Amino acid sequence: AQKITQTQPGMFVQEKEAVTLDCTYDTSDPSYGLFWYKQPSSGEMIFLIYQGSYDQQNATEGRYSLNFQKARKSANLVISASQLGDSAMYFCAMREGFYGGSNYKLTFGKGTLLTVNP
Amino acid sequence: SQTIHQWPATLVQPVGSPLSLECTVEGTSNPNLYWYRQAAGRGLQLLFYSVGIGQISSEVPQNLSASRPQDRQFILSSKKLLLSDSGFYLCASSRRAGQKETQYFGPGTRLLVL
Repeated sequence: AQKITQTQPGMFVQEKEAVTLDCTYDTSDPSYGLFWYKQPSSGEMIFLIYQGSYDQQNATEGRYSLNFQKARKSANLVISASQLGDSAMYFCAMREGFYGGSNYKLTFGKGTLLTVNP
Repeated sequence: SQTIHQWPATLVQPVGSPLSLECTVEGTSNPNLYWYRQAAGRGLQLLFYSVGIGQISSEVPQNLSASRPQDRQFILSSKKLLLSDSGFYLCASSRRAGQKETQYFGPGTRLLVL
């Protein structure tokens, strides 16, 4: 079974509107972390936001927020006020295990291609 | 802040030739380090990770190997490249500050095996 599922291969949004990118995860580990990355056409992976499994509040970083619903095992990324430069591939990832532990690693979803229209 | 360097940026190699990709990290100590591969139009696959000098964990069986000779140096190698080794190779370093955790990636190496 896939550990990270991104069901939207592609999404379109109008400039200045908000968009939600879906991510669901599967783990039995009580300690885990969830990440979102942006990959523009240049190929670099840009860290956007992190949510720990024990964090009580949803993470926010500028225009990015993570809608963390633990019981539903979902970690959707919300981008507010979309900009043309937001057009890119977006990856959801999960870290299982304790930080620094021998089984600590990231598993990535297949990504969602976001296109922002002017 | 952390900076990750990778070289070379692009590499074209014949089948059967050796490979050495290097990753170095600045701005942190004792990081967890990772090698990922991304095939064209696909997600990232974890190849190796290391929690310390000389400590390497392999995620998938393959003809690649990794070494960590120094705290902030991570090397990906192969004795004989296969066509299927073509891809985009990314090195990453993780860091934790309090409850917040980040994983930073290097600029990547595009490898084409012909």
